Amino acid sequence: NAGVTQTPKFQVLKTGQSMTLQCAQDMNHNSMYWYRQDPGMGLRLIYYSASEGTTDKGEVPNGYNVSRLNKREFSLRLESAAPSQTSVYFCASSATSGGGAGSGETQYFGPGTRLLVL
Amino acid sequence: QKEVEQNSGPLSVPEGAIASLNCTYSDRVSQSFFWYRQYSGKSPELIMSIYSNGDKEDGRFTAQLNKASQYVSLLIRDSQPSDSATYLCAADMRFGAGTRLTVKP
Repeated sequence: NAGVTQTPKFQVLKTGQSMTLQCAQDMNHNSMYWYRQDPGMGLRLIYYSASEGTTDKGEVPNGYNVSRLNKREFSLRLESAAPSQTSVYFCASSATSGGGAGSGETQYFGPGTRLLVL
Repeated sequence: QKEVEQNSGPLSVPEGAIASLNCTYSDRVSQSFFWYRQYSGKSPELIMSIYSNGDKEDGRFTAQLNKASQYVSLLIRDSQPSDSATYLCAADMRFGAGTRLTVKP
């Protein structure tokens, strides 16, 4: 099992460009999450998907959109990148059978995507 | 604003000592609490989860939860240089900024 995979590993964008970060999990988990991590800020939740077909905003959703393509895949899109979106992005998944996203279930993280917006 | 606060650190302990990491959370309805370890340049990995008041032990690690005080802690006994990392506290889906721990040989 690969666990949680993310592509790309590293990306440089110019201000105003768009891109999609891809995430996939092979653990048959119901819930998936996107976080960003900035120095001194810890992990901040951008969006999450409690189950296939649903998505919800987290703490810092502005400037991002997500798609839960199927049970395995959860993508994050930046429509018009800004320097403030320079960060490390982590995707995570958890089993979450009925208790709601984040409630009582360990999250398994992907390796991260380092994004630099110039 | 619902927050999770951690000692900013850095925390430095000698090899073999006990490292104590602390965390408070503001959302009283939080149900699940986690400690993750993150090595530099890597993704977080789970160390401990705790859901009920009291202590939970797993090897050299002990997590403590006090819901009345909205407080979670992690004790690492017999600290090893390999424990040097940033430790992230989480309440449900909300994470603290992390405490960097250095264990000196």
